[in-house]
Amino acid sequence: QQQVKQSPQSLIVQKGGISIINCAYENTAFDYFPWYQQFPGKGPALLIAIRPDVSEKKEGRFTISFNKSAKQFSLHIMDSQPGDSATYFCAASRRAGGTSYGKLTFGQGTILTVHP
Amino acid sequence: NAGVTQTPKFRVLKTGQSMTLLCAQDMNHEYMYWYRQDPGMGLRLIHYSVGEGTTAKGEVPDGYNVSRLKKQNFLLGLESAAPSQTSVYFCASSPYGGAGELFFGEGSRLTVL
Repeated sequence: QQQVKQSPQSLIVQKGGISIINCAYENTAFDYFPWYQQFPGKGPALLIAIRPDVSEKKEGRFTISFNKSAKQFSLHIMDSQPGDSATYFCAASRRAGGTSYGKLTFGQGTILTVHP
Repeated sequence: NAGVTQTPKFRVLKTGQSMTLLCAQDMNHEYMYWYRQDPGMGLRLIHYSVGEGTTAKGEVPDGYNVSRLKKQNFLLGLESAAPSQTSVYFCASSPYGGAGELFFGEGSRLTVL
């Protein structure tokens, strides 16, 4: 079963627009929520991450919003640029304890295209 | 600095053949992972290791075996390849496990005919 569900599968925005990608998780033991960015032919790379003790984290044009009660989190890309065109993955894990320790569960991925 | 290196980058196999994918990391990380990436499925964990000499099953382990004899290397083996194993395979390493940053290799594209 897919423990982290991501939407949309693909997203097209104009340069300067806002890109929003959403994720929902099922396991309430998850306590670390990163986003990874992947360019064609490359491996994923960490973009930004959040822990559930805060509701929002911002790094430059990238913001994670986290809603613990709804078990949802989202990535907002402000002033989207053509160079942001990539595949984005949300993910979740738990920091310690239990059989899930050490494992990062990924969403299905979103292909973002930013038109000039 | 090399980071995480995967070999080979491309391979074509016939059904029933065997092969091994090699992952090497030079960051002295304890944790290593093998994921497969398929369209619309995201990254799915095959096997992982929390230290030298240890391995554990992930989400989709069937048809694969792994070994971590040296801390810097994590091998993924396919004993009898099937077309369903056509995929892009990514190795990753991490100093702190899944609750910290994973460092990925550039992937190995495997086609099974």
